[in-house]
Amino acid sequence: DVKVTQSSRYLVKRTGEKVFLECVQDMDHENMFWYRQDPGLGLRLIYFSYDVKMKEKGDIPEGYSVSREKKERFSLILESASTNQTSMYLCASSSNRGQGDTQYFGPGTRLTVL
Amino acid sequence: DAKTTQPTSMDCAEGRAANLPCNHSTISGNEYVYWYRQIHSQGPQYIIHGLKNNETNEMASLIITEDRKSSTLILPHATLRDTAVYYCIAGYSTLTFGKGTMLLVSP
Repeated sequence: DVKVTQSSRYLVKRTGEKVFLECVQDMDHENMFWYRQDPGLGLRLIYFSYDVKMKEKGDIPEGYSVSREKKERFSLILESASTNQTSMYLCASSSNRGQGDTQYFGPGTRLTVL
Repeated sequence: DAKTTQPTSMDCAEGRAANLPCNHSTISGNEYVYWYRQIHSQGPQYIIHGLKNNETNEMASLIITEDRKSSTLILPHATLRDTAVYYCIAGYSTLTFGKGTMLLVSP
């Protein structure tokens, strides 16, 4: 079974802090994704990566950056957290098999910025 | 990704089949139809996907119309644990999640 793990289930940070959200997958997947989910807005794609050291902006990249130094790990960075970044953050991974890239999700990190 | 339309909510009695419809009339030739579900406060769970043909796995069946403009997810014997938001997505490598259908399975 594919396993995608996220470093924390719940996180509380203060405005202005630098925040790191870590995601690790154990299936040697090429692609990794970061989403945020807010009530009434659904899941929105922040950043994704098709390979090590590659990154692509999603629909809402402002205020975020990412890092992918190893294939299995994809980090989301909030350089200076703000209250409007309070949200559920979801990581996903998928492989390039040419038959539809099924994404597998982690359990999510609920981040509260005070 | 093509836009999808799903009912906001549906009810189903435990043990009965749940049939969840989805319209994706603007789907393009290389886009797959994916179904995911999300139980409260958990990450989305992959259920099934297909391109043209009907598909079945241990969780569900996916029926895609011949013109590919709509599909139906079938949970053959719904249980209380199937209560969740079900998302239908038409896409390829990046997926756009809409608001989904809230399925409530009742005793």
